[in-house]
Amino acid sequence: AQSVTQLGSHVSVSEGALVLLRCNYSSSVPPYLFWYVQYPNQGLQLLLKYTTGATLVKGINGFEAEFKKSETSFHLTKPSAHMSDAAEYFCAVSRGGRDDKIIFGKGTRLHILP
Amino acid sequence: DTAVSQTPKYLVTQMGNDKSIKCEQNLGHDTMYWYKQDSKKFLKIMFSYNNKELIINETVPNRFSPKSPDKAHLNLHINSLELGDSAVYFCASSHVRGGGYTFGSGTRLTVV
Repeated sequence: AQSVTQLGSHVSVSEGALVLLRCNYSSSVPPYLFWYVQYPNQGLQLLLKYTTGATLVKGINGFEAEFKKSETSFHLTKPSAHMSDAAEYFCAVSRGGRDDKIIFGKGTRLHILP
Repeated sequence: DTAVSQTPKYLVTQMGNDKSIKCEQNLGHDTMYWYKQDSKKFLKIMFSYNNKELIINETVPNRFSPKSPDKAHLNLHINSLELGDSAVYFCASSHVRGGGYTFGSGTRLTVV
């Protein structure tokens, strides 16, 4: 079975500071990994994904994540936080296959301090 | 030109009623999903359909019945609504396995 653990249900950073949201996964097969963002009262938007190949993945809005198999991690980073980054962030994992389903972590609320 | 559209966006209803939520995607994807997001923001898959065939049916009360008339549509019918059904329901679609999903904007269901 697959699972995702997001460390910290709330993270606060100052505007302009580094954003680091932590995600660890468990999977018995090579995983597909995702980060989604959810703004208030909206749906989920895909930030970035890792399937195969390069382990450093760049996404939208200046975010990136690095797949580290040895650490079973897929942490999300952004060099400089912006007020508009305040949202809920979800790490997710899937394994492919016909009955593929994405398993989500419990989410991390990112607060940006002025 | 919304990619995945759900209707209605908000739904307030009384316990015991029956209601439906509709979802349509214009992305040409062959797989569609229903997810439930509870009050703590936890997202859990309910169903998936691939080309009108039910693929995933998680442990969901049989009061919930999905229907897919074609691969662009996936509706969710809920009978005998209960207070615990209050949540945000998201429809999603995908094409390539492992390629990630495109989500609709959600339907906020409130049962009173």
